[in-house]
Amino acid sequence: SQQGEEDPQALSIQEGENATMNCSYKTSINNLQWYRQNSGRGLVHLILIRSNEREKHSGRLRVTLDTSKKSSSLLITASRAADTASYFCATDASSGNQFYFGTGTSLTVIP
Amino acid sequence: EAQVTQNPRYLITVTGKKLTVTCSQNMNHEYMSWYRQDPGLGLRQIYYSMNVEVTDKGDVPEGYKVSRKEKRNFPLILESPSPNQTSLYFCASGLAGKPQYFGPGTRLLVL
Repeated sequence: SQQGEEDPQALSIQEGENATMNCSYKTSINNLQWYRQNSGRGLVHLILIRSNEREKHSGRLRVTLDTSKKSSSLLITASRAADTASYFCATDASSGNQFYFGTGTSLTVIP
Repeated sequence: EAQVTQNPRYLITVTGKKLTVTCSQNMNHEYMSWYRQDPGLGLRQIYYSMNVEVTDKGDVPEGYKVSRKEKRNFPLILESPSPNQTSLYFCASGLAGKPQYFGPGTRLLVL
C-alpha cells in the first residue's frame, strides 16, 4: 500500500501550546494536503502544498514539505480547544488522480 | 450552498442484499471519489471518476461498483454486501489538483 503515516497517532496538549504532527509517504507526489476531521464527520481541507514548495502558511497553520525525505509536518500555533480533531495528510499519485490518506493524528487540546 | 450530499446517512442491512449509496455535488466538479474509513486504517480510496463515464479503481475496489452518468452524481453500489464492508463511507469531489470537498459520511452496518 502507498498509504502514508502520521506521527504521533495521538497528541494531547494544553490550550495555547503549539501542536506538531508529521506525515511520511512512500511515492513521488504532485502535492500534499492536510485535512481535519471532527469526530465521525466529513473531512475539511486545511492546506495544500505543492511538491515544489517547501513551506506554506495559513493563519495559525504552518506546513512544511521535504520531498527528499518524503515527509511533511503540520504546525498549529497557539492551539485552542476547538482545534481538537483528527488530522490527516493526503498525497496524490503521480497521475494526480489517486489519493492516499495517512492514518491520522488525534489531537486533544485541553482548555 | 456549495456541498456534497450523501444518502442515506445511516444504513443497516443484511449480507447479500444489494444497496446503493448516493452522492451528489453542486459545484460542477469533474473529479469525484469514494472512500471508506476504518479504525486504525485511515481513509482508503475505493473508486474515483475524472469525469462523466470515466471511472477508475482506487486502493480497495473489491466488492464495489460505481457509475458516473451525470457530472453531479456518483453512486456507490454494493451488489452483495458482506460484513467486512461495514464501515464509514465518504464521497468527495473537487477540481484536478485542488482540494477535495467531502460529504458528511454514510455509516453502513452489514449483518
